[in-house]
Amino acid sequence: QSALTQPASVSGSPGQSITISCTGTSSDVGSYNLVSWYQQHPAKAPKLMIYAGSERPSGVSNRFSGSKSGNTASLTISGLQAEDEADYYCCSYAGSTTSYVFGTGTKVTVL
Amino acid sequence: QVQLVESGGGVVQPGGSLRLSCTASGFTFSSYGMNWVRQAPGKGLEWVAYIRYDGSNKNYADSVKGRFTISRDNSKSTLYLQMNSLRPEDSAVYYCAKGDTSGWGVWGQGTMVTVSS
Repeated sequence: QSALTQPASVSGSPGQSITISCTGTSSDVGSYNLVSWYQQHPAKAPKLMIYAGSERPSGVSNRFSGSKSGNTASLTISGLQAEDEADYYCCSYAGSTTSYVFGTGTKVTVL
Repeated sequence: QVQLVESGGGVVQPGGSLRLSCTASGFTFSSYGMNWVRQAPGKGLEWVAYIRYDGSNKNYADSVKGRFTISRDNSKSTLYLQMNSLRPEDSAVYYCAKGDTSGWGVWGQGTMVTVSS
């Protein structure tokens, strides 16, 4: 159960778009379209931003979008805002035995 | 409103045991799979365990397999995590989260577990 690989940090100016990658293997990200993304502000519980690869829960801004290509999933934040500054984690289903694996996490900084 | 509230955290010596609880409200608890996720201080999220809505299937991370047991009491809308043979590396905030493969849209506020002598 190795963690999915994310960049440690990504930054952008207000209004810009940024993309966070999440690289797994053919046993997790590559096998299932079941990657979710979570936003976590300091000392807060994670918040679901994207599920099933590209679906947005009700109430989540349409500035957040998800996609997948092969063993890599991506989260794109467009029109970056100060409130988007947080840690972001991907999570993939990895089969009926392993269940789930998280990414290493990415700190997003709004310059 | 939909809510999860964890309890049972605290300080325990290495080798000791602790049972965490997660009480649900605002939704039909018995219809959903549930998870435990932990986060060590300053570290990332780590999935710990999953239990199917009816308790018929349970899965664990390799790091806790054989030491931790997830269970649920649907009549009490409560999820449990029995943690035995605790190690310093188990020190973390433990969250419960509602959901299966379609994402975990509801999380508790977390309960802190510290394993130290």
